[in-house]
Amino acid sequence: KNQVEQSPQSLIILEGKNCTLQCNYTVSPFSNLRWYKQDTGRGPVSLTIMTFSENTKSNGRYTATLDADTKQSSLHITASQLSDSASYICVVSPNYGGATNKLIFGTGTLLAVQP
Amino acid sequence: EAGVAQSPRYKIIEKRQSVAFWCNPISGHATLYWYQQILGQGPKLLIQFQNNGVVDDSQLPKDRFSAERLKGVDSTLKIQPAKLEDSAVYLCASSLLGTSVTDTQYFGPGTRLTVL
Repeated sequence: KNQVEQSPQSLIILEGKNCTLQCNYTVSPFSNLRWYKQDTGRGPVSLTIMTFSENTKSNGRYTATLDADTKQSSLHITASQLSDSASYICVVSPNYGGATNKLIFGTGTLLAVQP
Repeated sequence: EAGVAQSPRYKIIEKRQSVAFWCNPISGHATLYWYQQILGQGPKLLIQFQNNGVVDDSQLPKDRFSAERLKGVDSTLKIQPAKLEDSAVYLCASSLLGTSVTDTQYFGPGTRLTVL
């Protein structure tokens, strides 16, 4: 069964600190992995996307890594800001031959950055 | 570029009533998606349109949910009759192509539905 699991479920850090969020998946065959940020009351916004051959991708203070062999990904946030408080969702696309762009969502990690 | 628009933002109804949500995708985007996001969970795809044709509606509860995409642009999602378990945020998303595995989906702000 295609599944995406994230940890921790929630996290509280102090402003300026770094943190790392984890994602494990069992999706096969694998096409790509994305990290989305979802602010409270808003729709998810794409942060990064990585295909099978990529093992790291950065977007400002966000750095995502991918190990396709172990089926693990992480999202590292550097020098956190209050505006980073949100839910971070790991999303994996299976490779169904390009027929549809199907996304399998994790349940997200809720990050709270405190001053 | 304008984003995905949805309305209403909030809706409260009683069970067994009907409700409809509206979505206007990003201009030029061929693919439109409706998701259901229950509190504390990731979004679940309900239906995917490619232009005005249905690509995937395998998880749409067709006995009570229906959706259409008029002229391949705007879309409406209807629930009739609503149940308590339909309380969720309904997200609309659009993407340029939908058939490319790296195609990015852009999400609207969602409609929060509460069924009493």
